[in-house]
Amino acid sequence: AQKITQTQPGMFVQEKEAVTLDCTYDTSDPSYGLFWYKQPSSGEMIFLIYQGSYDQQNATEGRYSLNFQKARKSANLVISASQLGDSAMYFCAMREAPPYNQGGKLIFGQGTELSVKP
Amino acid sequence: DGGITQSPKYLFRKEGQNVTLSCEQNLNHDAMYWYRQDPGQGLRLIYYSQIVNDFQKGDIAEGYSVSREKKESFPLTVTSAQKNPTAFYLCASSAGLAGGPPAKNIQYFGAGTRLSVL
Repeated sequence: AQKITQTQPGMFVQEKEAVTLDCTYDTSDPSYGLFWYKQPSSGEMIFLIYQGSYDQQNATEGRYSLNFQKARKSANLVISASQLGDSAMYFCAMREAPPYNQGGKLIFGQGTELSVKP
Repeated sequence: DGGITQSPKYLFRKEGQNVTLSCEQNLNHDAMYWYRQDPGQGLRLIYYSQIVNDFQKGDIAEGYSVSREKKESFPLTVTSAQKNPTAFYLCASSAGLAGGPPAKNIQYFGAGTRLSVL
């Protein structure tokens, strides 16, 4: 069963506007972490933001914030004031805690390609 | 500068040949991972290692082998048994169990190696 679902293959946003990238997940583990990574055309995966399942507040890192709705199992990434350099693939990922996940692997979604228009 | 170095950036494999992808980290991380990314897809785990001299198979280990003789290094060999090796390979590391809540443990990635078959 798909554990991480990103339903938007591609998104467009105007420079300086905000954009929301969707991510839903599925797990039976009460303790898990949710991550967002950015992958520019160069290929490197860049860590953006983390949300723990027990965190009371939504995570924020500069222009990035995570809209965490635990009951709906969603962890959407919000990018405020988009910049041209934000154009990239964005991946949502989940990590379950032991014993569900002894190896600590990340489970990735299919990604969303964001294009920022000038 | 701390980070993860993957080499080479591009690699070509001939039929029946084994090739080795290098991954070195100077972050003093215990855990290291190898992922494969196919076009338009998320990442899939090949192998992981949580400690020196120990490693485990991931979801798609067939046709691959690894070693972990040093903490800093986790080379991946793509063997001739891997019939469809063309992909982008990413190495990652994390602090392991010393890195805080088990579900957090942020993975940091190298710049990747693009492998093609001649």
